[in-house]
Amino acid sequence: QKEVEQNSGPLSVPEGAIASLNCTYSDRGSQSFFWYRQYSGKSPELIMFIYSNGDKEDGRFTAQLNKASQYVSLLIRDSQPSDSATYLCAVKLGSWGKLQFGAGTQVVVTP
Amino acid sequence: DAGVIQSPRHEVTEMGQEVTLRCKPISGHNSLFWYRQTMMRGLELLIYFNNNVPIDDSGMPEDRFSAKMPNASFSTLKIQPSEPRDSAVYFCASSSGLAGGETQYFGPGTRLLVL
Repeated sequence: QKEVEQNSGPLSVPEGAIASLNCTYSDRGSQSFFWYRQYSGKSPELIMFIYSNGDKEDGRFTAQLNKASQYVSLLIRDSQPSDSATYLCAVKLGSWGKLQFGAGTQVVVTP
Repeated sequence: DAGVIQSPRHEVTEMGQEVTLRCKPISGHNSLFWYRQTMMRGLELLIYFNNNVPIDDSGMPEDRFSAKMPNASFSTLKIQPSEPRDSAVYFCASSSGLAGGETQYFGPGTRLLVL
């Protein structure tokens, strides 16, 4: 079992709709969770991080964390073609900052 | 402010040759990470430095790979000898704060092709 699992997609989303991305993790002791966006041929860039159960909103993005169920999700509201990218879920392991990345979910926003 | 700087951006070499990748972290960051990304294996952590000291090198695939961080502003990842299966994008990332901090900032990557 992989430590961090994501659906690979592609997830096709009409422009203006909500994109919902899910991520599950195996280490119950994980405390910090991150969503990175990676455009094709580019490096990952941080979108959001979340530490506490519940929702965290930043603009059109909302991260949701449920530690009891060991999942973290990302919602993208009012999806735009510029949101088309691969979204990587990352979980911090231990206390030294080591991140375990999922394989990523490709999102395609169609006009 | 300059972000993480990596060089070269592209490298094409022949099997058996030595390859050296370079990274300059963001000034003031005390943690540096080397990752490798391939379609098959995704983004993998190779090695992690904190305050110039290697903390976790469990991701280094084999003895052909070595990494150094002689000072806070420079790190190298060396592959000797290189093999075609080493072809990948190699990213360097840095972060600040206690115990490595939280947000890792990635460099543009080095695209390595070993023929």
